[in-house]
Amino acid sequence: NAGVTQTPKFQVLKTGQSMTLQCAQDMNHEYMSWYRQDPGMGLRLIHYSVGAGITDQGEVPNGYNVSRSTTEDFPLRLLSAAPSQTSVYFCASSYSNRDREVEQYFGPGTRLTVT
Amino acid sequence: AQKVTQAQTEISVVEKEDVTLDCVYETRDTTYYLFWYKQPPSGELVFLIRRNSFDEQNEISGRYSWNFQKSTSSFNFTITASQVVDSAVYFCALSEAILTGGGNKLTFGTGTQLKVEL
Repeated sequence: NAGVTQTPKFQVLKTGQSMTLQCAQDMNHEYMSWYRQDPGMGLRLIHYSVGAGITDQGEVPNGYNVSRSTTEDFPLRLLSAAPSQTSVYFCASSYSNRDREVEQYFGPGTRLTVT
Repeated sequence: AQKVTQAQTEISVVEKEDVTLDCVYETRDTTYYLFWYKQPPSGELVFLIRRNSFDEQNEISGRYSWNFQKSTSSFNFTITASQVVDSAVYFCALSEAILTGGGNKLTFGTGTQLKVEL
């Protein structure tokens, strides 16, 4: 299994540009999520999905769109990038094991800079 | 709303010293889960431990140990005989109910940067 993969690893955008951060998992997990990490603020939840076709907002959803057309993929779209979106983005997928505990898998992260 | 506080922004120790990283949480739920993650300089997130609110047993894994105290809403992490390879940012996190699809929404603390020097 490749686990959770994210592309690209690094990206520089200009203000106003759009782009999509890709996230894919090959573990057949229903639940996927996006977090952003900013200095001194830990990780914060942007959007999450409990299954294909279902998405919901997290703590900091403004400026981001998501969709979940397949179980495997959960792309994060920035429609008009702003410098405040400079951050490291982590995608995660998870499942609940037999003991009803969540096993969470994080991707390697995408470092985005908006100038 | 849930909240995780890691009051120690940065800790520096000399190798072989013991070090404790503090984590204090707030939640209104009776069922919740606590986590510790390590983020080495390479940037990935490494899962260390998960603990549910019904299990207050302390846990030891090699040089790592965790002390969960519901009475003080704390879940502290101790590294015994620290090593240079322990240098990283450590995050404490909290989640409440498990959602449909087998996931949960994590609330992270702001992290503690641990520097272990020779």
